[in-house]
Amino acid sequence: EVKLVESGGGLIQPGGSLRLSCEASGFTVNNNFMTWVRQAPGKGLEWVAVMYSGGSTYYADSVRGRCAISRNILRNILYLQMNSLRAEDTAVYYCARGMMDGDENNWFDPWGQGTLVTVSS
Amino acid sequence: DIQMTQSPSSLSASVGDRVTITCRTSQNINNYLNWYQQKPGRAPNLLIFAASSLQSGVPSRFSGSGSGTDFTLTISSLQPEDYATYYCQQSYTSWTFGQGTKVDIK
Repeated sequence: EVKLVESGGGLIQPGGSLRLSCEASGFTVNNNFMTWVRQAPGKGLEWVAVMYSGGSTYYADSVRGRCAISRNILRNILYLQMNSLRAEDTAVYYCARGMMDGDENNWFDPWGQGTLVTVSS
Repeated sequence: DIQMTQSPSSLSASVGDRVTITCRTSQNINNYLNWYQQKPGRAPNLLIFAASSLQSGVPSRFSGSGSGTDFTLTISSLQPEDYATYYCQQSYTSWTFGQGTKVDIK
């Protein structure tokens, strides 16, 4: 069974740092592209970061310079290091596996259950 | 950036109704459009990828159509388990989601 389980969320003060983890099973994180998507309370979905199988990474403008996506292939875990956290970073953070077809259409499946990050003093 | 306009933002429908949700993009994205369903407190779940391909395990009452800038998600006969929020997503350039459509009970 393909599964993703996030952890590492919690309450953090503005300006603080947090590292989220996403443990994968049923596939290896370096065989697909992997992403982080967040959802502020009562709001929609916002893509945050991606790591491709070759290791290249890209970020949304809202987090670029403050977040870093990485992976541990041996442990089959994806990470999101978040620094200089702001109140507007408060959200449920989901990791998701990226899938692609021969025409380069791509989509996210499956998603983890999410981990809540609350930035507040 | 590609802008997404999803409509309506909410709708009320009865079991058995045909439901249609539309998604318009600010530029041509060919068929790089996906649809997700999200229930309260749960992660999004993929329904349709590449505009019209049904994800394995998703009931056939769900269908997607469109290309270019205009796309549609249709539920042919709404079932009780379909009450949820639906999001479109473009994957042509980076990824952007629509604002969501909440489907609730009439």
